[in-house]
Amino acid sequence: GEDVEQSLFLSVREGDSSVINCTYTDSSSTYLYWYKQEPGAGLQLLTYIFSNMDMKQDQRLTVLLNKKDKHLSLRIADTQTGDSAIYFCAELKGGDYKLSFGAGTTVTVRA
Amino acid sequence: GAVVSQHPSWVICKSGTSVKIECRSLDFQATTMFWYRQFPKQSLMLMATSNEGSKATYEQGVEKDKFLINHASLTLSTLTVTSAHPEDSSFYICSARDRDMGTGELFFGEGSRLTVL
Repeated sequence: GEDVEQSLFLSVREGDSSVINCTYTDSSSTYLYWYKQEPGAGLQLLTYIFSNMDMKQDQRLTVLLNKKDKHLSLRIADTQTGDSAIYFCAELKGGDYKLSFGAGTTVTVRA
Repeated sequence: GAVVSQHPSWVICKSGTSVKIECRSLDFQATTMFWYRQFPKQSLMLMATSNEGSKATYEQGVEKDKFLINHASLTLSTLTVTSAHPEDSSFYICSARDRDMGTGELFFGEGSRLTVL
């Protein structure tokens, strides 16, 4: 199975908060990432968190890391239609900078 | 953030021909770049690690003679799909890390969509 698991779909109303969850398996992961992919485009790095942090906030984005449960979440405040995309969680294991990706969560923002 | 550019964005070719895709780091130097492949509605699969000045390291199951990787400079890696067939049609994405940054930031290119007829 996947090393990194995410729910596949999330529908949220415009203006509400979105929370995307991810679980990973390797407790030695050093960095954990959130990427955004719009249709036909590459991946945009949204944010990342170092494994010795519990939380990181950047404008509308809040990342929470629970190392004990190997759980990572991304909260998007005041979700907008432009936030509709696929969001990938990824973990970096070891020093070779290879990423393991989850399957991606498709977020749909409805008016 | 740093910029990684891929070219071409999309390419259509006949079966049996070879196609080259370029990945450039525009404002930083990258000793290591990564090539991923993405099938429709699926996640990214790491194909290989491109190392500047040395041979690429391929993931298990990836044919190195089929997917030739060259990392000739600190800002350019190329992926050549040789004798392409319809099953090679996919979205290919590269990523790179700024060698001078001590952070974990990994930046991705815009992707290159290959369609083999």
